[in-house]
Amino acid sequence: AQSVAQPEDQVNVAEGNPLTVKCTYSVSGNPYLFWYVQYPNRGLQFLLKYITGDNLVKGSYGFEAEFNKSQTSFHLKKPSALVSDSALYFCAVRPQSGSGNTGKLIFGQGTTLQVKP
Amino acid sequence: DTEVTQTPKHLVMGMTNKKSLKCEQHMGHRAMYWYKQKAKKPPELMFVYSYEKLSINESVPSRFSPECPNSSLLNLHLHALQPEDSALYLCASSAYQGVQETQYFGPGTRLLVL
Repeated sequence: AQSVAQPEDQVNVAEGNPLTVKCTYSVSGNPYLFWYVQYPNRGLQFLLKYITGDNLVKGSYGFEAEFNKSQTSFHLKKPSALVSDSALYFCAVRPQSGSGNTGKLIFGQGTTLQVKP
Repeated sequence: DTEVTQTPKHLVMGMTNKKSLKCEQHMGHRAMYWYKQKAKKPPELMFVYSYEKLSINESVPSRFSPECPNSSLLNLHLHALQPEDSALYLCASSAYQGVQETQYFGPGTRLLVL
């Protein structure tokens, strides 16, 4: 079965400190990996994606993520957290399908990031 | 511009009402999606349209009826809903229905069924 895991329901960091939000995946074939952020009462905003190439992907708002094939991980990182980064973060994967390309997004359960001043 | 708009922002309806949600994008995207999201949970895919044709129906009850009148518009018609259908309904679009394509989400319609 294809799945995404975000092992932490909540991550707490102090403003100015580096942050990491973890994501691991299990898919057959090459994964296409995405990170989205959702602020309260808002839709999902695209942050970044990994398709192929450089394992370090840079995205919006200073976020980056590192693809690690051997550990099947795609952790989201930011060198210096802001209070305004506090939100719900979703990792998602679109597995490379064999027969029929559904393009379905498989989401993790989400991680709430709390950045305290 | 990666904007997907949705109307209305909020909707309250009774179980016997008929209402519609509307989604619009002007990015030239040919794939559009409806998702349902409960509080603090990941979005759940409901329907996918590709080139204005229904591509995926994730076994959604018939009280939800999608419609794609043209490449820019996506509607979700609601009839005889249940209180458990109360949720945030998100629309998304992508250039194509391909694994590499980024889905861009609208702000959602928050639905309350009484």
